[in-house]
Amino acid sequence: GAGVSQSPSNKVTEKGKDVELRCDPISGHTALYWYRQRLGQGLEFLIYFQGNSAPDKSGLPSDRFSAERTGESVSTLTIQRTQQEDSAVYLCASSLAQGVYEQYFGPGTRLTVT
Amino acid sequence: AQRVTQPEKLLSVFKGAPVELKCNYSYSGSPELFWYVQYSRQRLQLLLRHISRESIKGFTADLNKGETSFHLKKPFAQEEDSAMYYCALSVLNRDDKIIFGKGTRLHILP
Repeated sequence: GAGVSQSPSNKVTEKGKDVELRCDPISGHTALYWYRQRLGQGLEFLIYFQGNSAPDKSGLPSDRFSAERTGESVSTLTIQRTQQEDSAVYLCASSLAQGVYEQYFGPGTRLTVT
Repeated sequence: AQRVTQPEKLLSVFKGAPVELKCNYSYSGSPELFWYVQYSRQRLQLLLRHISRESIKGFTADLNKGETSFHLKKPFAQEEDSAMYYCALSVLNRDDKIIFGKGTRLHILP
């Protein structure tokens, strides 16, 4: 079956512009995560959605970052007034339920802020 | 709060030598632990998990509750093992998310 997909694969934007990144999780997966991976760095947790519970936003680095998820399907991560330090690969992952289940990762969106 | 520590950011090992990637965790209950791997230009993917007690690509990991560790080991490194490795922890709690360590880049020298 289809895995986790993300779009766009690459995004170049000017500093100060808003960007929207999309994640399509595996059908039936109730848990969805967003991570950031800066060049040469490890995974940085951003936000976690689990079913109808309130999302865990504890990893969002500033109020310029927000994310939404429609039911148990598509999620969008929005970065407003982008800054050069936002340049990174943004990864989405989904899993059957919370925590103990395997996470399936998407290919990522490479964001470059010029 | 749960925490995962991978003390080495980079580990260089000669081909054929043993590999040990360290992972320590903090959690007072019974955790579920994972190792994820990201090869160059590939997606991050599950390598192995504690509950399965299996060996994948020659790698094994044993949970040591006394030392709160879940080190990843392989007796003989291969060049294709070069990758970024992440240790992760989860708990059987409906609200808790999985916690990843910062990762260790394994570089196998020829």
